[in-house]
Amino acid sequence: GAGVSQSPSNKVTEKGKDVELRCDPISGHTALYWYRQSLGQGLEFLIYFQGNSAPDKSGLPSDRFSAERTGGSVSTLTIQRTQQEDSAVYLCASSWRGSSDTQYFGPGTRLTVL
Amino acid sequence: AQTVTQSQPEMSVQEAETVTLSCTYDTSESNYYLFWYKQPPSRQMILVIRQEAYKQQNATENRFSVNFQKAAKSFSLKISDSQLGDTAMYFCASEGGATNKLIFGTGTLLAVQP
Repeated sequence: GAGVSQSPSNKVTEKGKDVELRCDPISGHTALYWYRQSLGQGLEFLIYFQGNSAPDKSGLPSDRFSAERTGGSVSTLTIQRTQQEDSAVYLCASSWRGSSDTQYFGPGTRLTVL
Repeated sequence: AQTVTQSQPEMSVQEAETVTLSCTYDTSESNYYLFWYKQPPSRQMILVIRQEAYKQQNATENRFSVNFQKAAKSFSLKISDSQLGDTAMYFCASEGGATNKLIFGTGTLLAVQP
């Protein structure tokens, strides 16, 4: 079946602009994760959605970052007033239920803030 | 807090030979899971192998196997009969507790030489 998809593949924006990154999880997966991969910080967790439960936002680095998951499927990560330090690859992953299930990753969105 | 340490930033191996990538971790969880992911230049994070901490038997997937030493908190990956397609960044990761997030090491860049 289809894997996790993300769009856009690459995004270049100017400092101060808002950006939206999209993730389509594997059909039937109830858990969805966002991670950030950057040279300075490595791979770090951002946010986790599980079904209808309140999301775990403990990894969001600032209040400029937010995410939604509509209808238990597609998720959008929004970064407001982008800064150069937001430049990174943003990875989305999904798993069947969450706890103990293997996470399957999308190809990521490379964000460059000029 | 969980931590994962990969002490080998880069490794090189000749095609058809065997290579072992090291990983140590620390966790206070009694039930947890360990993973090796591969990230080729395409950026797609691909699951290589998974180990449940409660299982004593080391996981094996074709040419990939792990040496899981629970008491030492060590989780190394052995790649047998290395192939050019194994060239990638390899990340060790742990998951456990209520948050379900993956904690990643800093990665080992493996180059398979012809």
